[in-house]
Amino acid sequence: DSGVTQTPKHLITATGQRVTLRCSPRSGDLSVYWYQQSLDQGLQFLIQYYNGEERAKGNILERFSAQQFPDLHSELNLSSLELGDSALYFCASSVDGSVASQYFGPGTRLLVL
Amino acid sequence: DAKTTQPPSMDCAEGRAANLPCNHSTISGNEYVYWYRQIHSQGPQYIIHGLKNNETNEMASLIITEDRKSSTLILPHATLRDTAVYYCIVRVVWGSQGNLIFGKGTKLSVKP
Repeated sequence: DSGVTQTPKHLITATGQRVTLRCSPRSGDLSVYWYQQSLDQGLQFLIQYYNGEERAKGNILERFSAQQFPDLHSELNLSSLELGDSALYFCASSVDGSVASQYFGPGTRLLVL
Repeated sequence: DAKTTQPPSMDCAEGRAANLPCNHSTISGNEYVYWYRQIHSQGPQYIIHGLKNNETNEMASLIITEDRKSSTLILPHATLRDTAVYYCIVRVVWGSQGNLIFGKGTKLSVKP
């Protein structure tokens, strides 16, 4: 158990819909990262927040958005969902926002039908 | 960031040492070598990282060559639970975006 929690574990929805994935970082960790893992693309970095501020952006689509709240939990919002958005979405956290030792949550498996 | 090259797959007998190589010939002086692993569909798990000295923790040892162009992750007594995809990642620790860049990794199969 990494100490990072993600909800829900599984999500099934239809194309065109919007969903919200939630992540609670490890106690004391200020930085949260979101990654997407699909069969054909592997693990791709989406976005990073540090203490409520966006710090880095990766291959995140405009239909996706995220935020980190004052209590440091984070939400990833996916809208106008397409079949290709079906993937595992992982959240990770680290103490200080550097690369050293990120701790990953168990992931949310999203299936878009 | 430096590019890494890893073999796509390796086998190892249970109880034997697993030695996973990684080539990072374009590594720069301020880049660290990180190893993560991902057991089927679980979140990636941090294993170890190092700059130039060899490192050891309760999970593994990391051997980095003197020229830092390659490294080896050693699992001293592999078990069936070590079957996973192992990722070698080279990244600057400070002063850059903090995200990890995952390649395809090495799929390690530990066999009884």
